[in-house]
Amino acid sequence: GNSVTQMEGPVTLSEEAFLTINCTYTATGYPSLFWYVQYPGEGLQLLLKATKADDKGSNKGFEATYRKETTSFHLEKGSVQVSDSAVYFCALSLSGYALNFGKGTSLLVTP
Amino acid sequence: SQTIHQWPATLVQPVGSPLSLECTVEGTSNPNLYWYRQAAGRGLQLLFYSVGIGQISSEVPQNLSASRPQDRQFILSSKKLLLSDSGFYLCAWIGKAEAFFGQGTRLTVV
Repeated sequence: GNSVTQMEGPVTLSEEAFLTINCTYTATGYPSLFWYVQYPGEGLQLLLKATKADDKGSNKGFEATYRKETTSFHLEKGSVQVSDSAVYFCALSLSGYALNFGKGTSLLVTP
Repeated sequence: SQTIHQWPATLVQPVGSPLSLECTVEGTSNPNLYWYRQAAGRGLQLLFYSVGIGQISSEVPQNLSASRPQDRQFILSSKKLLLSDSGFYLCAWIGKAEAFFGQGTRLTVV
């Protein structure tokens, strides 16, 4: 079946530290890959996406590259801010069908 | 623009009581709508999806049901809540290239 595995949280970092949240997937076809973010008290929103191998999604300083050879879509940011504290979800979708989500990774950035 | 309204944001219900969570969509017609749930320590699990009025598909057997009475309305229900129904419920509209989510409902069954 199709599934997403992402690193367990919570992740606690100091401001300006480098962030990596690992995400790997299994899929029966060629999925589109997504990172969603949920800030405290808000709904889920799309952070970035990639629709084919070697695509790089980027937004708000975050990046993730679709690696078909390692079936991964790791989220990175060079310098995190306190405002990046949130829960991050990796997800995949096949042909516009329902999204398969990972368990979510809680990130806390301290000043 | 497309938006999803989901309410309430939080809900505390006793075991055995009924449940009704409503989700409405604006800015689109004939959307594919989904209900997800996140239980403690688990990922977002797909519960139901609907491709049109009166069309409901269930992904997992459970104590819940869903209905699509109107094109832009998707309702999640239960006749008698169980403790295990506690969790975070999320309504979503998923298209070919994008997805929109409601703010979610934190349900606590006591």
